[in-house]
Amino acid sequence: DSGVTQTPKHLITATGQRVTLRCSPRSGDLSVYWYQQSLDQGLQFLIQYYNGEERAKGNILERFSAQQFPDLHSELNLSSLELGDSALYFCASSVVGADTDTQYFGPGTRLTVL
Amino acid sequence: GQQVMQIPQYQHVQEGEDFTTYCNSSTTLSNIQWYKQRPGGHPVFLIQLVKSGEVKKQKRLTFQFGEAKKNSSLHITATQTTDVGTYFCAGSWGKLQFGAGTQVVVTP
Repeated sequence: DSGVTQTPKHLITATGQRVTLRCSPRSGDLSVYWYQQSLDQGLQFLIQYYNGEERAKGNILERFSAQQFPDLHSELNLSSLELGDSALYFCASSVVGADTDTQYFGPGTRLTVL
Repeated sequence: GQQVMQIPQYQHVQEGEDFTTYCNSSTTLSNIQWYKQRPGGHPVFLIQLVKSGEVKKQKRLTFQFGEAKKNSSLHITATQTTDVGTYFCAGSWGKLQFGAGTQVVVTP
């Protein structure tokens, strides 16, 4: 158990819909990362937050947005969903968001778009 | 853009054999991390290498950082079924970037 929690574990929805994925970082960690992992694919970095502020952006679509709240939990919003958005979405947290930090991954949310 | 390349993409290993997976970058890295993801699981941190030529061992796993800090390797000796999973390297130029991973299948 990494100490990072993600809800829900599974999400099934239809094309065109909007969903919100939630992540709570490890106690004491200030930085949160979001990754997308499609079937048999690597980890595609989406976005990073540090103490409520966006720190780095990866290959995140305009239809996707995220935020980190004052209590440090984070939400990833996916809208106008397409079949290709079906994937495993991981949240990770680290202490201060430095590149030398260990990233602790949550169990992931499996999104299926029908 | 900058990226880390991992080879091979897939590795089928007989139980008891050794194998090595490689991670390469076109530019010098400040550090490199290795993670393991078991089937159905999430990535778990294994180790971080920072110094040029650094070698670290964890039981049957040996991690090495190249002298030029542009490549790294993970060598597993006497592979066991518990070694099944995908091994990711993550290199940093100030921002950590994950490679595509090496998926390891172990045949008993």
